[in-house]
Amino acid sequence: DADVTQTPRNRITKTGKRIMLECSQTKGHDRMYWYRQDPGLGLQLIYYSFDVKDINKGEISDGYSVSRQAQAKFSLSLESAIPNQTALYFCAIATSGGSDTQYFGPGTRLTVL
Amino acid sequence: QQQVKQSPQSLIVQKGGISIINCAYENTAFDYFPWYQQFPGKGPALLIAIRPDVSEKKEGRFTISFNKSAKQFSLHIMDSQPGDSATYFCAAYAYGAGSYQLTFGKGTKLSVIP
Repeated sequence: DADVTQTPRNRITKTGKRIMLECSQTKGHDRMYWYRQDPGLGLQLIYYSFDVKDINKGEISDGYSVSRQAQAKFSLSLESAIPNQTALYFCAIATSGGSDTQYFGPGTRLTVL
Repeated sequence: QQQVKQSPQSLIVQKGGISIINCAYENTAFDYFPWYQQFPGKGPALLIAIRPDVSEKKEGRFTISFNKSAKQFSLHIMDSQPGDSATYFCAAYAYGAGSYQLTFGKGTKLSVIP
């Protein structure tokens, strides 16, 4: 977990507010991912990025946007938060060479009232 | 469409028993099958993984069994301990097809009781 940092760890916000979740890494991996976790639904991919100029939508990208500000930073934004975006959000990193392991951050618990 | 089906949703096992979690997939392009373990308040962490060129992989008390023809794979935890209590996710990856996306099962919450 220490190689991947997520801020904030917990956030409560109101419907309609814009919110940004941030992810940073110290391993120098080029691939970064944002997942959403809901009880009983597993992990669903929101967006992923292979480098600063490469952003790809995942299976549930509607209502979300991302920014890869640098190789080490990948931010997830909710432009206008709604209650069904209440969930646990995870950032993950991986390297394009060798191991296919994804390393996950500690997560951000987001509540939209 | 759920591409990786995982069962059971929850599992209670006595200490010392065997925990078995099953997964099935449809996409024949999947060529890497990891299992992730998640403790409460933590992110998932890779536990063990297998490629379809072998039928079994063992690491300590954890074993993956893989049946390519049936498109099924399972995790066996031998001598289950209370410290194994966690949520387990199977996943699949179409690495050879140029996809770098993991498709996860919905998870199994394992409780090992003393």
